[in-house]
Amino acid sequence: AQTVTQSQPEMSVQEAETVTLSCTYDTSENNYYLFWYKQPPSRQMILVIRQEAYKQQNATENRFSVNFQKAAKSFSLKISDSQLGDTAMYFCAFMKPPGNQFYFGTGTSLTVIP
Amino acid sequence: NAGVTQTPKFQVLKTGQSMTLQCAQDMNHEYMSWYRQDPGMGLRLIHYSVGAGITDQGEVPNGYNVSRSTTEDFPLRLLSAAPSQTSVYFCASRGGGSYNEQFFGPGTRLTVL
Repeated sequence: AQTVTQSQPEMSVQEAETVTLSCTYDTSENNYYLFWYKQPPSRQMILVIRQEAYKQQNATENRFSVNFQKAAKSFSLKISDSQLGDTAMYFCAFMKPPGNQFYFGTGTSLTVIP
Repeated sequence: NAGVTQTPKFQVLKTGQSMTLQCAQDMNHEYMSWYRQDPGMGLRLIHYSVGAGITDQGEVPNGYNVSRSTTEDFPLRLLSAAPSQTSVYFCASRGGGSYNEQFFGPGTRLTVL
C-alpha cells in the first residue's frame, strides 16, 4: 500500500499572508496522481488542486499552488493571500491509475486568523 | 444534477445490528468508493467499484459488504455493527480517465453503542 504523510497536524496563518502545507508520500510507481482536498466544518470534501506525476510543471489554481518534487516524493501546497474561508482541514491524497484506490494523509488543520 | 447523495446523514446503532448506508450518483460515473474518516486517521478506503457488477476491497474492508448492481447505486452494508465502526462514512464517485475529479457525498455519521 502507498503511504501519505502530513507531518503538520495544525497550522495557523494571518489573513492575507502565505502558508505552506507539507505532504510526502512513498511509492515505487512512476505514473500517479496527487491531490489536495479541503474539508471545511461542513464536512464536505472539496478538490483544491491536482498534479500528474509525469508533468514537471507545478499545478496552480488561483491562490493555490503546489511544489511537486518527484525525486523527493514531496507535494506541498502553498496558499497565498490567505482568507478566512480557507480555514479547514486539508488532506493530501495519492492515486495510482488505472484503479480507483486513493490514499489519504492524516490531514492538516489550518486556521486563518483575522 | 444532485451529484453524490448519501442517506442517512446520521445513524445510531446498537452492537450487533445490521444496516445499509445508501449512496447514489447521477453523473454516470464508472468509479465509486466508500471511505471512513476517523479522527487523526484521514480517510481510509473500505471498498470500491470500477463499474456495475465489479467491486474490490480497499484498505479496511472487514465488517463491510458492498454490491454494484447499477451504475448509479453503491450501497455499503454493515453486517453486525461494532463500536469500532463508529465513524463518518463518505461515498465518492469519479468518471473514467485518471485525471477526473472525485466527487464526494456529504457523509454519514454513524455511532455504534
